[in-house]
Amino acid sequence: EAGVVQSPRYKIIEKKQPVAFWCNPISGHNTLYWYRQNLGQGPELLIRYENEEAVDDSQLPKDRFSAERLKGVDSTLKIQPAELGDSAVYLCASSRQNNEQFFGPGTRLTVL
Amino acid sequence: RKEVEQDPGPFNVPEGATVAFNCTYSNSASQSFFWYRQDCRKEPKLLMSVYSSGNEDGRFTAQLNRASQYISLLIRDSKLSDSATYLCVVKDNFNKFYFGSGTKLNVKP
Repeated sequence: EAGVVQSPRYKIIEKKQPVAFWCNPISGHNTLYWYRQNLGQGPELLIRYENEEAVDDSQLPKDRFSAERLKGVDSTLKIQPAELGDSAVYLCASSRQNNEQFFGPGTRLTVL
Repeated sequence: RKEVEQDPGPFNVPEGATVAFNCTYSNSASQSFFWYRQDCRKEPKLLMSVYSSGNEDGRFTAQLNRASQYISLLIRDSKLSDSATYLCVVKDNFNKFYFGSGTKLNVKP
């Protein structure tokens, strides 16, 4: 079974630039999550999708972050404009029915 | 107060040692509990779910204590390859997952 796929793996941008991350979950997993992980911390949820519906986006900074999951499969997370404090690893995970989660390799974002 | 708290460590133990980590959670209505393992610069990987009756997988044993609101992970006969950060994860009664900051384990020869 293929795992969660994310791209790009690394991204370096200057502040105020836009950036987008892509995630393809494990086949058959209806729940998709985007997390942000800072060094020395655990992942923090940004948004959770059940199929194509965003059921929890309470931690998503909506002034600059947006996400979509068209057709309930792939998802993209966008930041526009990026700030220095957005430097982190952005992790995508998927699960069946919001249970045990499986993570992708993450995108390491550096904002200069 | 954080939803999930862990001792950051590091726990430095020799090969073959037994080591235990605890994790406390604040929401008494939490439903599900997990331990994840995260290697340096890698993604978290599911180690085991934690059931009310406790569960064991080889050298790893997980326990849940609902009355005191903590879960534990015991690793017996530590291997060098067990060196990693162990993340405690709790799903609350609103189906939201909370991750601890992790406990770092270093197993030394």
